[in-house]
Amino acid sequence: AQSVTQLGSHVSVSEGALVLLRCNYSSSVPPYLFWYVQYPNQGLQLLLKYTTGATLVKGINGFEAEFKKSETSFHLTKPSAHMSDAAEYFCAVRGGADGLTFGKGTHLIIQP
Amino acid sequence: GAVVSQHPSRVICKSGTSVKIECRSLDFQATTMFWYRQFPKQSLMLMATSNEGSKATYEQGVEKDKFLINHASLTLSTLTVTSAHPEDSSFYICSALGDPTRLTDTQYFGPGTRLTVL
Repeated sequence: AQSVTQLGSHVSVSEGALVLLRCNYSSSVPPYLFWYVQYPNQGLQLLLKYTTGATLVKGINGFEAEFKKSETSFHLTKPSAHMSDAAEYFCAVRGGADGLTFGKGTHLIIQP
Repeated sequence: GAVVSQHPSRVICKSGTSVKIECRSLDFQATTMFWYRQFPKQSLMLMATSNEGSKATYEQGVEKDKFLINHASLTLSTLTVTSAHPEDSSFYICSALGDPTRLTDTQYFGPGTRLTVL
């Protein structure tokens, strides 16, 4: 079984500041980890994913995430926040040929 | 990237009626499709896994007689909410996967269907 915990239902940062969204997971099998973004009234869009290989994964829109097995974490970062980054972000894990297990989501607010 | 569509995008129905939601993979064949439900300001919850040509697998707590899933072709899965009630009002989202044996495959999500039951 898999589970995902996203720390902080709301995160507020200033435009230009570092974005850090936290995600911890548990999985009984080697996990495949994903970050999705959901803009208001839109579907989910894949930001990045970790499957195997390099633990630092780069995604779209300047986001990246690092898989740390020892910490069971997959935190999402972006060096400099932009107003257009305001959205809901979901971390998800897939442990097998199953559907994704999602975290509760983090609402990212960008302050001008 | 791959595109998944859903129809309708919004539907309002009276209590007791049935509603069908379609999920289509537009430019790839999806052997597996997933149906999720998202309550306001909450996360997505997996409802069922749909494999082409076979019966859907439902998650614990999801009523299979209420949420009928049909995956008749490699590009179409349907979710029918039977005898809908106000508590079924939600945002229903499907996703499609090309090859479920390739665990690195990405699930592509549809834009969702907002169901409101009066």
